[in-house]
Amino acid sequence: QVQLVQSGAEVKKPGASVKVSCKASGYTFTGYYMHWVRQAPGQGLEWMGWINPNSGGTNYAQKFQGWVTMTRDTSISTAYMELSRLRSDDTAVYYCARERIRGRNWFDPWGQGTLVTVSS
Amino acid sequence: QSALTQPASVSGSPGQSITISCTGTSSDVGSYNLVSWYQQHPGKAPKLMIYEGSKRPSGVSNRFSGSKSGNTASLTISGLQAEDEADYYCCSYAGSSTLGVVFGGGTKLTVL
Repeated sequence: QVQLVQSGAEVKKPGASVKVSCKASGYTFTGYYMHWVRQAPGQGLEWMGWINPNSGGTNYAQKFQGWVTMTRDTSISTAYMELSRLRSDDTAVYYCARERIRGRNWFDPWGQGTLVTVSS
Repeated sequence: QSALTQPASVSGSPGQSITISCTGTSSDVGSYNLVSWYQQHPGKAPKLMIYEGSKRPSGVSNRFSGSKSGNTASLTISGLQAEDEADYYCCSYAGSSTLGVVFGGGTKLTVL
């Protein structure tokens, strides 16, 4: 079945970087855009951007431009999201989510989430 | 891009119907039939419940329905069940200026 499995929880110090992985299985990885969404503790969902796994092309939400980098490794069907210059308010669960039909902007399935804690 | 506006909480008794609203602008909700709804139980990933305004994915109960009028989309849950208690988020395409999406702030549904 279609599945997205993310890497484990991370604890980082302020100013550091974190790289979260999202391994896809059960479908053709290069055929579907991958989005990243984060959720701070007790807060709502926040869209970060997407990557086209076929071309490597990316589109980031304005808030995250210059700060987030999305990449992929097609040989292992894995997408990555790297966030740099971490601050305490970047503490959140980070999700990858597959865009089911390109241009329709709805997501199914989602990864299980990766908790990133930023603390000194 | 501002978040879509949802009520913070709604509640209903088992068997009743509730509606959650999601208000955007003419640049997002009002311009595209690309609103989706997600259910999230505590500690779990969001789950797609409605896409493209009113379409239901395979496996989602027909008690869930979606609609839109102007800049406001709505999710209706009929025949409330205890397992429906969760957070619900709307999401809309935000237009060609962003090529991305915007989420609502989320609504906590309590089944009394």
